[in-house]
Amino acid sequence: TQLLEQSPQFLSIQEGENLTVYCNSSSVFSSLQWYRQEPGEGPVLLVTVVTGGEVKKLKRLTFQFGDARKDSSLHITAAQPGDTGLYLCAGRTGGYQKVTFGIGTKLQVIP
Amino acid sequence: SAVISQKPSRDICQRGTSLTIQCQVDSQVTMMFWYRQQPGQSLTLIATANQGSEATYESGFVIDKFPISRPNLTFSTLTVSNMSPEDSSIYLCSVESRGTDTQYFGPGTRLTVL
Repeated sequence: TQLLEQSPQFLSIQEGENLTVYCNSSSVFSSLQWYRQEPGEGPVLLVTVVTGGEVKKLKRLTFQFGDARKDSSLHITAAQPGDTGLYLCAGRTGGYQKVTFGIGTKLQVIP
Repeated sequence: SAVISQKPSRDICQRGTSLTIQCQVDSQVTMMFWYRQQPGQSLTLIATANQGSEATYESGFVIDKFPISRPNLTFSTLTVSNMSPEDSSIYLCSVESRGTDTQYFGPGTRLTVL
């Protein structure tokens, strides 16, 4: 069974602070996705990373895929209250196989 | 990305009853999935809905409890049968097209069983 561990599970910060969320596994993934889920809604895709060492930026969000494709990080610069939500990482092995989800990081950004 | 709708968005049900959740996609997709997200837990895959054939269930989930239909490439239903309070959860439909390597999710159905 593949496991994706996310840390921290809970994070409460002040507006304007920076933060990093981690997603780790002992398995190698062919790709990894990051989602954000707000209360009462389904997860919304933020990014997909596929190449070891890849870095992708989405405004104030920076995503990195580890060189060995076993881990990933999400860094948010100058967090805003609108960043509040549950951040989920999801990894998949090669081919058309099911996805493994992490437990999520619940982020609260206080104005 | 696909636009996915689910009905109902939420419901409160009595123990022993059944609820059918609908998932509609605005385009034809190869794969449709049903997930459960219990409070404080991550997403757990219930089954893959196969068009024109029986769904493929994950370990711990059975057809008698969670019958699934997928009559065409844009629609699927999940029924939660003989409900108990332990079935209280968010149920999510997701879709994926071959080669895209990405799943898109519906808004979810929040189920509370009393």
